[in-house]
Amino acid sequence: DTEVTQTPKHLVMGMTNKKSLKCEQHMGHRAMYWYKQKAKKPPELMFVYSYEKLSINESVPSRFSPECPNSSLLNLHLHALQPEDSALYLCASSQDFRTSSWYNEQFFGPGTRLTVL
Amino acid sequence: DAKTTQPPSMDCAEGRAANLPCNHSTISGNEYVYWYRQIHSQGPQYIIHGLKNNETNEMASLIITEDRKSSTLILPHATLRDTAVYYCIVRPSAGGTSYGKLTFGQGTILTVHP
Repeated sequence: DTEVTQTPKHLVMGMTNKKSLKCEQHMGHRAMYWYKQKAKKPPELMFVYSYEKLSINESVPSRFSPECPNSSLLNLHLHALQPEDSALYLCASSQDFRTSSWYNEQFFGPGTRLTVL
Repeated sequence: DAKTTQPPSMDCAEGRAANLPCNHSTISGNEYVYWYRQIHSQGPQYIIHGLKNNETNEMASLIITEDRKSSTLILPHATLRDTAVYYCIVRPSAGGTSYGKLTFGQGTILTVHP
């Protein structure tokens, strides 16, 4: 199984709502990533988890709260978002990036398209 | 991390080779060149990567110049399904938190015509 799955595919939420995005992989990868992609722009890294621990936070506002409950699952909890947070949220996974590995590419999911009203 | 420069768009006829250039003149000795593509409404997809030598896989070939300041991704027989945004990314070889970061540039929109 070389697939990263993301749910839901689409999400519409109000600024006072609390919602969560879910990402799952069963490739035995120990690094997982959240990216944000605005329309017609490249993906931008938000968070990186390695062995279920947060390794990189790219100065993301606290209204985005990541969680990695186990090595296969990655969540992104959303609270009090703004309309400008509307974007495609991409999850990715890879082997542990801390070790030297020639084949350490990131596998991306299809993304969740989020609209904040 | 080294920055990359790519043409914003390119066209290619179906069945012909698509040659996508990338400039990375500030690349350092321990940085790889990676290529990803993103087909409309999908997540990015890994294509190929290299350090010094040319590389080939079932999807594409990667030609890196001897001074490593530029590279070319070659899709030998482009099809309509190859229409996508192609990203050239430079990343450290291993170790440290920066290795986990894929920094995407603006990419090249490749359009394959019938």
